[in-house]
Amino acid sequence: KAGVTQTPRYLIKTRGQQVTLSCSPISGHRSVSWYQQTPGQGLQFLFEYFSETQRNKGNFPGRFSGRQFSNSRSEMNVSTLELGDSALYLCASSLNTYEQYFGPGTRLTVT
Amino acid sequence: QQQVKQSPQSLIVQKGGISIINCAYENTAFDYFPWYQQFPGKGPALLIAIRPDVSEKKEGRFTISFNKSAKQFSLHIMDSQPGDSATYFCAAYLTGNQFYFGTGTSLTVIP
Repeated sequence: KAGVTQTPRYLIKTRGQQVTLSCSPISGHRSVSWYQQTPGQGLQFLFEYFSETQRNKGNFPGRFSGRQFSNSRSEMNVSTLELGDSALYLCASSLNTYEQYFGPGTRLTVT
Repeated sequence: QQQVKQSPQSLIVQKGGISIINCAYENTAFDYFPWYQQFPGKGPALLIAIRPDVSEKKEGRFTISFNKSAKQFSLHIMDSQPGDSATYFCAAYLTGNQFYFGTGTSLTVIP
């Protein structure tokens, strides 16, 4: 079975721009969660989608948004980028929420 | 407030030794406690997990010890190998809510 794929793997953006990241979950998994990983904060939960509906949301500003499509693929959008948004963005898919399978992440650098 | 506190931040162990990583949590409602292993350039991978009604779980060289009254759990890696060198994250999950991760422990196993 193919694992979780994330595109692009690396991204460089300028402050004020917006960015869209994509995640394709493992086939059959309907839950997709997004995390921000930084050296100081570790993994911080952004949001979870299940069957195209946002099921949970972490403590991030409204500039961070997401959506899920009918094929379970998910996108995450960050608007008005700030320097502090530089991080590794991880997507995880799950069949039952408990066992999460992570993708390799998208490394976002904001200059 | 950090829901899950992890220590130590880094750990160096000789090959064949025992690696021990500790985590403490705040919310007694957490009902699932996984450990993840992350290699550079990769997403975290689920290693082993435990529920609070069990005091210990062993899978190969990896063991979780769980102390419900102390609100602590730990990962023991027996016969540590250089290939175990990675960053380890503990997490706690509240069903229907979200995962809370520790800040990670960088393990180096010296040959």
